[in-house]
Amino acid sequence: KQEVTQIPAALSVPEGENLVLNCSFTDSAIYNLQWFRQDPGKGLTSLLLIQSSQREQTSGRLNASLDKSSGRSTLYIAASQPGDSATYLCAVLAGTASKLTFGTGTRLQVTL
Amino acid sequence: EAEVAQSPRYKITEKSQAVAFWCDPISGHATLYWYRQILGQGPELLVQFQDESVVDDSQLPKDRFSAERLKGVDSTLKIQPAELGDSAMYLCASSQLWDKETQYFGPGTRLLVL
Repeated sequence: KQEVTQIPAALSVPEGENLVLNCSFTDSAIYNLQWFRQDPGKGLTSLLLIQSSQREQTSGRLNASLDKSSGRSTLYIAASQPGDSATYLCAVLAGTASKLTFGTGTRLQVTL
Repeated sequence: EAEVAQSPRYKITEKSQAVAFWCDPISGHATLYWYRQILGQGPELLVQFQDESVVDDSQLPKDRFSAERLKGVDSTLKIQPAELGDSAMYLCASSQLWDKETQYFGPGTRLLVL
């Protein structure tokens, strides 16, 4: 059974800092890995999707990397802003039914 | 831009009562998913539909939960009777048949069982 773990569970940083969120998964037979953002009480917004054959994806100040063989991904956020405060979830897509398995998330707070 | 619609957004009920949630996927999306997200955890898939057929309901507590998508468009998730542990966010998502990698999520229904 696929298990996805995210570290740290919570993180507080001052505005302007660069930061890294970590995600690990137990079964490397995945189609892709996605990073989502979730604001309190809201649904999920897809940030980045990395195909299993790719090493990284970039969107603005966000950069996600994937090392499928070691079962790890990182989300790098450059020059953090208070508006980045949210919970970040990683999820892997695998299996014949294209099932998404989510991690427990990292709750990020960027302070002024 | 097309979005997944869910209603209600919030629901408070007492234990042993019945509750129902509704989801309208993006038009043309053949695949529909229901997820449950307990506070502090990631979403967990409850049921997946392909058109009107259930593809995966292995994590659906079938003694109290039911889901249907009769015409292969919108879907209803029901809980009867509700228990305290059912308090969670219920998320609906949809994807195109040829692009299951991209799931579009609705805003969710937050359920509180008292």
